[in-house]
Amino acid sequence: AQTVTQSQPEMSVQEAETVTLSCTYDTSENNYYLFWYKQPPSRQMILVIRQEAYKQQNATENRFSVNFQKAAKSFSLKISDSQLGDTAMYFCAFMKPNSGNTPLVFGKGTRLSVIA
Amino acid sequence: DTAVSQTPKYLVTQMGNDKSIKCEQNLGHDTMYWYKQDSKKFLKIMFSYNNKELIINETVPNRFSPKSPDKAHLNLHINSLELGDSAVYFCASSQHGSYEQYFGPGTRLTVT
Repeated sequence: AQTVTQSQPEMSVQEAETVTLSCTYDTSENNYYLFWYKQPPSRQMILVIRQEAYKQQNATENRFSVNFQKAAKSFSLKISDSQLGDTAMYFCAFMKPNSGNTPLVFGKGTRLSVIA
Repeated sequence: DTAVSQTPKYLVTQMGNDKSIKCEQNLGHDTMYWYKQDSKKFLKIMFSYNNKELIINETVPNRFSPKSPDKAHLNLHINSLELGDSAVYFCASSQHGSYEQYFGPGTRLTVT
């Protein structure tokens, strides 16, 4: 079974600074998908960024980028120019490829606070 | 238009009661899911339906029974509610061939 580990329960960052959230995972699969989801206090789950394991290039979405290290099974999220609206729980998630019908396996989350 | 909707958003009930949570998606997706988020914020899959058929049923008490009347709806019925059932329940949907899941707003269930 796949497992996802987020070793930082809580983090804080000053507004406009950069922060990196860590995630490691365990799988015997060669192809899979990795995700970062954001859950603000509104509790809505919002997809931040996605990485396909077969792609070597790290995914980027505006201020959000990942450092995907397949051999090390590491998938960290970097948030640049942090904004107050980035304050949220962040979940790393894994999905086995099966035509997209498989569920997400989540880490326990990192609570990020952006401080003015 | 809301892509994935859940009703109710909040549900407070007493132990021993039976309750249902409804989920509807208007995205035309063929797969729907129920996830449970516990008090420590941990999210875990409960059930998954593809084209109205149950394809994943994690270790969940049989007091929980999902029902999918059609591809756009997946309801969750819970019998004999217990204190430990208090959680946020999320519905999600996805389409075969796409890896993005769209989540509903969640239903916060509180059992007293």
